Amino acid sequence: NAGVTQTPKFRVLKTGQSMTLLCAQDMNHEYMYWYRQDPGMGLRLIHYSVGEGTTAKGEVPDGYNVSRLKKQNFLLGLESAAPSQTSVYFCASSYLSDRGHGEQYFGPGTRLTVT
Amino acid sequence: SQKIEQNSEALNIQEGKTATLTCNYTNYSPAYLQWYRQDPGRGPVFLLLIRENEKEKRKERLKVTFDTTLKQSLFHITASQPADSATYLCALDMWRSGAGSYQLTFGKGTKLSVIP
Repeated sequence: NAGVTQTPKFRVLKTGQSMTLLCAQDMNHEYMYWYRQDPGMGLRLIHYSVGEGTTAKGEVPDGYNVSRLKKQNFLLGLESAAPSQTSVYFCASSYLSDRGHGEQYFGPGTRLTVT
Repeated sequence: SQKIEQNSEALNIQEGKTATLTCNYTNYSPAYLQWYRQDPGRGPVFLLLIRENEKEKRKERLKVTFDTTLKQSLFHITASQPADSATYLCALDMWRSGAGSYQLTFGKGTKLSVIP
């Protein structure tokens, strides 16, 4: 039981390049999330998904797209990377709960640098 | 606007003492509040969840209180150990009108250092 895994662990991009971050969970959770964490800003929700084939915007969605084609996977895409997207990205998943957000299980993070 | 604040950015405490961390929120009434632990270079780990109709919850050396009148949660670690040194995050479900849904919103965290 691996929990939540993220690929890659580290990445350096040049401005304007694109990339996809992959998140996988083996807990059969309905909900999945992408957060970014920056010094002094805390964790901020980018996008989330309440089930296979559905996605929704979080607090800071601009510049990112997501897809949830399979229940266990949640992909975060950067179409044209900008230095402001330099951050640590965390994926999380949770079971279905009242108000939709039970305890969340986080992955180890992806450290992205955009130069 | 809705806000969630963890009062201290950093807290130093002597080993064996009780550490108390504070989480305050404004302009909102969450259904529940969660606490997480985050070690450097790692993702947050869930510790405790407390609901609005619960005053207190315990798990081993951890205790969480939830005062909906004061709009405050206190997180206590009794008999603290150097291994408890980490950043502790509180989180609560906030209604985001722009998204049209509840979303879990995290505080910025308090970095706890337990000194031997």
